[in-house]
Amino acid sequence: QLQLQESGSGLVKPSQTLSLTCAVSGGSISSDGYSWSWIRQPPGKGLEWIGYIYHSGSTYYNPSLKSRVTISVDRSKNQFSLKVNSVTAADTAVYYCARESYVLRFFDPWGQGTLVTVSS
Amino acid sequence: QSVLTQPPSVSGAPGQRVTISCTGSSSNIGAGYDVHWYQQLPGTAPKLLIYGNSNRPSGVPDRFSGSKSGTSASLAITGLQAEDEADYYCQSYDSSLSGSHVLFGGGTKLTVL
Repeated sequence: QLQLQESGSGLVKPSQTLSLTCAVSGGSISSDGYSWSWIRQPPGKGLEWIGYIYHSGSTYYNPSLKSRVTISVDRSKNQFSLKVNSVTAADTAVYYCARESYVLRFFDPWGQGTLVTVSS
Repeated sequence: QSVLTQPPSVSGAPGQRVTISCTGSSSNIGAGYDVHWYQQLPGTAPKLLIYGNSNRPSGVPDRFSGSKSGTSASLAITGLQAEDEADYYCQSYDSSLSGSHVLFGGGTKLTVL
């Protein structure tokens, strides 16, 4: 059974860089037919897709966040990572990683999520 | 503001049927992109409920069903149960000049009376 687990800094100062990692277990991140996504949810609000990466390293980002976001993959560690630069309070959210079906484009499974707070 | 519009809230008594709408446009649902639905129980991660407009993953009760028509989609829940109280999100894709990207609806809070 595929499982995803987020980890990283829970508190980030404004203007600094948010860094998170998603560890994949129970399956290979190099499996064909899937991409690997980051999605966030500000407290009390809805879901916002951040971007995805294929095991080849190709990426695609939400146009609204593209200038500040980098997603990378480490196939040797079976994990992928997220960096968001120049954070503000608006970046405070629960960050989820998820696998996306390349053909049908749905997200399943999801990690449990990790709260990142941007505050001085 | 989400491009996929959902009602902020719906409610129903146990045993009743409720529907949640997801209204898009010609650049997303109307362009033929599939719609998927997620259930988010309080304090937990979203869980896939319906994929490809109307398909249920293994383990999802047949009380949950999805449909799509034109630029809209709907999630129906029959035989409402207390444990169905959750937030529900639709998801699709949108095509723009910068390419296609993921869209989520704003979410609908279901209250079981």
